[in-house]
Order: sequence, then structure tokens, then C-alpha cells
Amino acid sequence: GESVGLHLPTLSVQEGDNSIINCAYSNSASDYFIWYKQESGKGPQFIIDIRSNMDKRQGQRVTVLLNKTVKHLSLQIAATQPGDSAVYFCAENVSGGSNYKLTFGKGTLLTVNP
Amino acid sequence: ETGVTQSPTHLIKTRGQQVTLRCSSQSGHNTVSWYQQALGQGPQFIFQYYREEENGRGNFPPRFSGLQFPNYSSELNVNALELDDSALYLCASSGGQGTEKLFFGSGTQLSVL
Repeated sequence: GESVGLHLPTLSVQEGDNSIINCAYSNSASDYFIWYKQESGKGPQFIIDIRSNMDKRQGQRVTVLLNKTVKHLSLQIAATQPGDSAVYFCAENVSGGSNYKLTFGKGTLLTVNP
Repeated sequence: ETGVTQSPTHLIKTRGQQVTLRCSSQSGHNTVSWYQQALGQGPQFIFQYYREEENGRGNFPPRFSGLQFPNYSSELNVNALELDDSALYLCASSGGQGTEKLFFGSGTQLSVL
């Protein structure tokens, strides 16, 4: 099975609320993590990434938190907007190999209600 | 927009046929990866090409093959199509600093009847 999974397959929030999407990973050797957003009919779009030497990284309206002790990753979206409605994937990679292969979870469907 | 373009956008084939999907990488990117995304699932790694050589392969049978050209564009070929091959096929390019960050195209939706 996949080493990256998501706790919640669906998440519904009100516009303006903060959203938190969770992800668990099982490969303790993974040292690079990335979040993608996928809208219907489109390919995954990069949101934010983090390396294992960090536990928090912030972008525009988004924050990724990494807890290596419990192998948990989360994506926080501040002031969620209807345009944030999409499927969100976390993915992991083990650096240092000869290639960069991302292992994706199944995704969480985020629905933002106006 | 990532600058990664894929063609065709949609394709319908019958079982046993062969298909070729094409991808143009983002300018300056020398690495192309292919992923298969079944409905309701996350993308699954098929293989990666770096400087025209296969550079890693996922758990896919040999009837999935690929090519990368000197301009870094790439093809994915699937022989003897099966019904389970119906999926969205995603191409992603990467290169330079932060090579783990993949930039995806919009994909080719393949339906096998």
C-alpha cells in the first residue's frame, strides 16, 4: 500500500474560516514533503514544500507543519476562499537517490461554502 | 500555468491497442516524470527520464515504456491496453535547483473500452 495517507477524505468549511488538512506518512527515511492542489480537469499545482530539517514553513495564506516524531504533516489555509475548493495531496520523497519519485497520498477534497 | 504541455487531452482506445502520449517540459527543465492517476486516487509514479535515459521506474509492467528527446520532451507508450489502464496520465518536469519540486501538466485522460 501507499506510505502516505490522509486522515480525512473530505473537509467542508465556511468561507473565511481556516482549514487544516492532515497527512500521515510511514517512511521514516522521507526527508522532503510537498503539498499539491488539484482542481477538476487540471494537473496538480504546487502549493508549498518542506524539508525534514524544518518543522514549519509559511507561504501566502498557507502554512505547512511537519512533526517527524509522529510522522505527521499538515497544511493550514488561512481565510479559506471558494477558489481554494479542490483536492489536496501530500507527497513525500527520500532525497539522495538517483531520482526524485514523489509518493502521493489519496487526497482530501476541500469544499468551501460561501 | 506550469509551462508543461501534454497531448492529446483526451483519448479513447479499445483493449489490446497501443497508445502514445506526449509531453513538452517546462523551459530549462531536463527531467520528465510520468504518473498515472486513477479516478479518486493520488498519482502513481510510472518512470522518470533524465537526459534521455530512464532514471527510475515504479511498479508498472514493461508494456509501459517511454522516451525522452534531446529537447527534453517525452513520450509515454502503452502497449496491449487493458481496461485498468483507463486513467489520467500526468507528465511532470523538473530541473535545476529544487529538483524535487515537480511541475505538472494538465494530463491526458485515457479511456480504454
